[in-house]
This record gives sequence, structure tokens and C-alpha cells, in this order.
Amino acid sequence: QVQLVQSGAEVKKPGASVKVSCKASGYTFTSYYMHWVRQAPGQGLEWMGIINPSGGSTTYAQKFQGRITMTRDTSTSTVYMEVSSLRSEDTAVYYCARRGSSSSGYYYVMDVWGQGTTVTVSS
Amino acid sequence: QSALTQPASVSGSPGQSITISCTGTSSDVGGYNYVSWYQQHPVKAPKLMIYDVSNRPSGVSNRFSGSKSGNTASLTISGLQAEDEADYYCSSYTSSNWVFGGGTKLTVL
Repeated sequence: QVQLVQSGAEVKKPGASVKVSCKASGYTFTSYYMHWVRQAPGQGLEWMGIINPSGGSTTYAQKFQGRITMTRDTSTSTVYMEVSSLRSEDTAVYYCARRGSSSSGYYYVMDVWGQGTTVTVSS
Repeated sequence: QSALTQPASVSGSPGQSITISCTGTSSDVGGYNYVSWYQQHPVKAPKLMIYDVSNRPSGVSNRFSGSKSGNTASLTISGLQAEDEADYYCSSYTSSNWVFGGGTKLTVL
């Protein structure tokens, strides 16, 4: 079945970087874009950006430009998101979520989600 | 890109209907028919409930419906059930980006 499995929880100090992974299975990895969404404790969902696993092109939300980098490894069907210059406000659960396919009609949604990765930024 | 505006909370009794609004601008909700709704239970990942304003993915109950008028989209849940108690988020596509609403906590009394 279609599945996104994310890496485990991280604890980082302010100013450090963190790299979260998301391994896809059960579908053709390069045929579906991947979103990254985060959720701070007790807060709502926040869209961070999207990557095309086929060519590696990315679009980042303006708020995160210059501070996040999304990459992919097609050999392992894994996408990565690195956040640099971490601050306490980056403490959140980070989700990868697959963009639906145009053929299914789910093109503008996130149809499958990973389990989330908790990143805690604390001195 | 500013977040879409949702009420912080709504409530209803079992069997009743409730509606959650999601207000944006002509650049997002009003400009595209790409509004979606997600349900999130505590410590769970969100689940897609409605896409492209009013379409239900396979497996989602027909008690969930969506609509849009101008810059405001709405999610209606009819025949409320206890398991509907959750947080609900709207989302809209907007010029190669996506934006979410602040979320609405639904309490089933």
C-alpha cells in the first residue's frame, strides 16, 4: 500500500540545522510531487514547500526561502527537508505529504501523509 | 501569504449539522476551485475529506460536503457523530503555493 515513513524525532540547539527524511513506497516515486507541512505545538498547519522528485525542482513558501532545502534521492525513493538556523519557533511536527496525481483529480491536495517527525529546538 | 480565516471552534449535538467557514481572498479561495478540507484527530496526521471545493475522496462519508461562494468556502457535516470530533483545516492552492486556514475545533456535545 502507499506509505510515507518519516525519520525519528530530533532535538537540536538554536542555530543548528536538522534534516528530516520521508521514504515513499507503494507507488512510482517520481510521478508524484511531495509537500512539506509543519505544525507547531497547539497550532495549525503551515505549508512549507513542495519538491518534484522527478527533476528535483522546488517551490518554497516565501517565509522559509533561504532557510530550507528540499532534496530527493530517487535510488531510495526518499525526499529530505533540511531547516537551517533553527530557533525555538521551529519546534514543531514536520509532515511530508504526497501531492495527488492529475489523473486522479487530486492534483491540488495532499492525499497521503507521513506519520510526522517531531523537531524540538531547545538550548 | 496570510492564512485563511476559520472560526476557532464550533459545536453540535449528535445528529445535528454544522458548517465551518473558510475565508480567503480573490488570490486564493476566490480565484481557484482548489479548496480542500482536512480532518485531524489528536496526535494523528491530517486526512483529506474534501477536494476541489466539493468532491469527496473514495471512502469519505457522504455526511461531509463542501461548497464555495466568492472568497468563502464552507464544510458542512450532517448527522454529527462522536467520531467527527476533531480539528478541521481548509486549504487553498494559490499561484504555485498552498495556504491553510488556522483550523477549527469541532466538539460533539
